[in-house]
Amino acid sequence: DAGITQSPRHKVTETGTPVTLRCHQTENHRYMYWYRQDPGHGLRLIHYSYGVKDTDKGEVSDGYSVSRSKTEDFLLTLESATSSQTSVYFCAISERAGRQPQHFGDGTRLSIL
Amino acid sequence: GESVGLHLPTLSVQEGDNSIINCAYSNSASDYFIWYKQESGKGPQFIIDIRSNMDKRQGQRVTVLLNKTVKHLSLQIAATQPGDSAVYFCAENPPGNQFYFGTGTSLTVIP
Repeated sequence: DAGITQSPRHKVTETGTPVTLRCHQTENHRYMYWYRQDPGHGLRLIHYSYGVKDTDKGEVSDGYSVSRSKTEDFLLTLESATSSQTSVYFCAISERAGRQPQHFGDGTRLSIL
Repeated sequence: GESVGLHLPTLSVQEGDNSIINCAYSNSASDYFIWYKQESGKGPQFIIDIRSNMDKRQGQRVTVLLNKTVKHLSLQIAATQPGDSAVYFCAENPPGNQFYFGTGTSLTVIP
């Protein structure tokens, strides 16, 4: 299994609070991604990174920010959480952009009350 | 955005039978495809991939078929086992680094 650790695995918080999710990889892969998974939808890309300090928006980036200060860590921040951000969040990594698999962590289940 | 889907939401098969899971993709420019397996409480796990210059690719007990004419992808699992029970979904990759994922088919294997 790819060495991807997501933390925390579960979190319950209140609307309006800031939340940071962490993804840590031991594979030294260049690309890292944050997705959300909701019933009735496929995985949807929030943000991705193509190197240290290099990030770009995905399909559903509103309300989220990311940072990557080290190759191994990619942080996802909800500045002011809303109930619509209740979801399961997955981090993924890949060596190259496209045409090869992305490998996923086991997710963070986030509930915003 | 992309639309990947037309999965049957659920599929039940007897242990030992073959399973076929289908997926339709939307972008004719997509040139790479992946099947993932997701067990409850876990992240998606890579099963098999195929590039658009191929029609078929085989792995251990799994085969992926690609029909570019009708933009259709299928996953065949031979001799399905209880451990194969999971959600299976496909992903398409148009040129670039973005993937578009289907909503998945829940496979239940009946002992």
